[in-house]
Amino acid sequence: DAKTTQPTSMDCAEGRAANLPCNHSTISGNEYVYWYRQIHSQGPQYIIHGLKNNETNEMASLIITEDRKSSTLILPHATLRDTAVYYCIVRVASGGSYIPTFGRGTSLIVHP
Amino acid sequence: DADVTQTPRNRITKTGKRIMLECSQTKGHDRMYWYRQDPGLGLRLIYYSFDVKDINKGEISDGYSVSRQAQAKFSLSLESAIPNQTALYFCATESSSSDTQYFGPGTRLTVL
Repeated sequence: DAKTTQPTSMDCAEGRAANLPCNHSTISGNEYVYWYRQIHSQGPQYIIHGLKNNETNEMASLIITEDRKSSTLILPHATLRDTAVYYCIVRVASGGSYIPTFGRGTSLIVHP
Repeated sequence: DADVTQTPRNRITKTGKRIMLECSQTKGHDRMYWYRQDPGLGLRLIYYSFDVKDINKGEISDGYSVSRQAQAKFSLSLESAIPNQTALYFCATESSSSDTQYFGPGTRLTVL
């Protein structure tokens, strides 16, 4: 089972910031949080990841709470091309290894 | 991502047929994964491999088998296809040094 909880769907006006929340209350101290997105039925695409500090790259910003139990992906100026399913990922222990586990993600619709 | 290729991209087959889906990567990554995605659902892990001699079952391995012929190639087989294996299949690669996954374009499989 996925270790993350995300809203099923969200919408955002074009040009505005899209803030996508994720709860990962059972995350351990050395686990990273990863975000991916999937446009239509294409392969998921990596966006950003973080451990405990806030992170920013050319695609998005990631805000992680101090207790690390939740995070928010921020798309600062959403465009229609940002319409996609966004997955928040933490790795799950399996047979001595840690493997990524995808939940159902958040379907973000950006409207004009 | 052109560095991860999947063949075929689309396949229609009949119940009981054996079918193989192939994945190749030029990224030099040691880890490879096979996922399936059903409509409206997230990705579920079928099998994964951390190097050529390593094969591990994922969440939904029943009815599937895999072969890691070389570091760059990871094949998924359905020994006797059944209709509920109709889905979108994704291959992914990952470097053990970064934990960031790179996905192929997917194979849409229909079992009649």
